[in-house]
Amino acid sequence: EDQVTQSPEALRLQEGESSSLNCSYTVSGLRGLFWYRQDPGKGPEFLFTLYSAGEEKEKERLKATLTKKESFLHITAPKPEDSATYLCAVVNSGGYQKVTFGTGTKLQVIP
Amino acid sequence: EPEVTQTPSHQVTQMGQEVILRCVPISNHLYFYWYRQILGQKVEFLVSFYNNEISEKSEIFDDQFSVERPDGSNFTLKIRSTKLEDSAMYFCASGGGNNQPQHFGDGTRLSIL
Repeated sequence: EDQVTQSPEALRLQEGESSSLNCSYTVSGLRGLFWYRQDPGKGPEFLFTLYSAGEEKEKERLKATLTKKESFLHITAPKPEDSATYLCAVVNSGGYQKVTFGTGTKLQVIP
Repeated sequence: EPEVTQTPSHQVTQMGQEVILRCVPISNHLYFYWYRQILGQKVEFLVSFYNNEISEKSEIFDDQFSVERPDGSNFTLKIRSTKLEDSAMYFCASGGGNNQPQHFGDGTRLSIL
């Protein structure tokens, strides 16, 4: 069974204080790893897809990286509007499109 | 930017009643999904739908659940006889194809009394 574990559960940062969120995964063949952002009362908003170890993607203050066992979401000089829950999810090579989500990291950025 | 829309945003239903949740996926997408998120828990896969049939479903998606694409734009989730434990946020998502990201709606909050 696919498993996704995210850490930490919650993270509080000062504005401008860079940090990283971790996503460890166990799948029977990785088809893709996704990062989403979820604001309270909203659906997950797509950020990145990573397909193979060594791949990196960037968007504004966010950078996602992937190894064979984990992914990191690096947040550089965060702003208060980056406050949200960040979700990691995987699709395995045998599943048609079933996405397995982690429980997320709740990020709070304080001005 | 195209988006997935869901209605209603909040549905309150008596236990044992049938409920239908509605979704309009992104128009050129071919794959459709339902997920649920119980308060404080992770997002859980329910079912995927492609080419007018279920392509994959989880153990949560039992005989009480069904999905349908009644026309070219809507995608629905029906729960035949609701239980208290069906109370959750239900998300619809759509995607353009294999390995393509899924785009989510803002959900329907289902409250069973």
